[in-house]
Amino acid sequence: QQPVQSPQAVILREGEDAVINCSSSKALYSVHWYRQKHGEAPVFLMILLKGGEQKGHEKISASFNEKKQQSSLYLTASQLSYSGTYFCGTFPNTGANSKLTFGKGITLSVRP
Amino acid sequence: EAEVAQSPRYKITEKSQAVAFWCDPISGHATLYWYRQILGQGPELLVQFQDESVVDDSQLPKDRFSAERLKGVDSTLKIQPAELGDSAMYLCASSSRTGGLETQYFGPGTRLLVL
Repeated sequence: QQPVQSPQAVILREGEDAVINCSSSKALYSVHWYRQKHGEAPVFLMILLKGGEQKGHEKISASFNEKKQQSSLYLTASQLSYSGTYFCGTFPNTGANSKLTFGKGITLSVRP
Repeated sequence: EAEVAQSPRYKITEKSQAVAFWCDPISGHATLYWYRQILGQGPELLVQFQDESVVDDSQLPKDRFSAERLKGVDSTLKIQPAELGDSAMYLCASSSRTGGLETQYFGPGTRLLVL
């Protein structure tokens, strides 16, 4: 089942912070975050495992709330290069043949 | 840094024609995926290979789509005949597994336009 991402779009000024979310109705094993710029391939950012750990990539960090089956991506002091579409992909907790399922993505625009 | 290679980058074809896309995964990656991404949507899995074997092709429209990975390295995705609704970005990804975690790395994609 496809994860739900929110909000649908984010517009920021350079230096501002943002939080984007990824929720699933299924119990999750892991959440994968990617950023895709227009016309380019999705670029891997980080993986979050169940257990609530927090990870970081440059000034981007993420957390995974196992109780809520929700992951949040935190963008701190945003830079122009952060603009793009952010996808989360989720791996369910069960199933030998489980697969990564992506949300619809959130478009984030950072303006000077 | 090793990357997933795909060709062509762009393809324009007329409906009912045949098209083929090629993917060369990162060296040593046994798992290869083909995804379709419609504008404004996330990637949707079409087929997954483990070495030369198909692991999951449940979402592949088998009446017109076929995929192969004969020697367990590079792969080809074919559409015959192409339909207007096939216009999309076709992404190839390969994955590595470390400590039980699988990370997928995407190629630049092939953007298909069917006229």
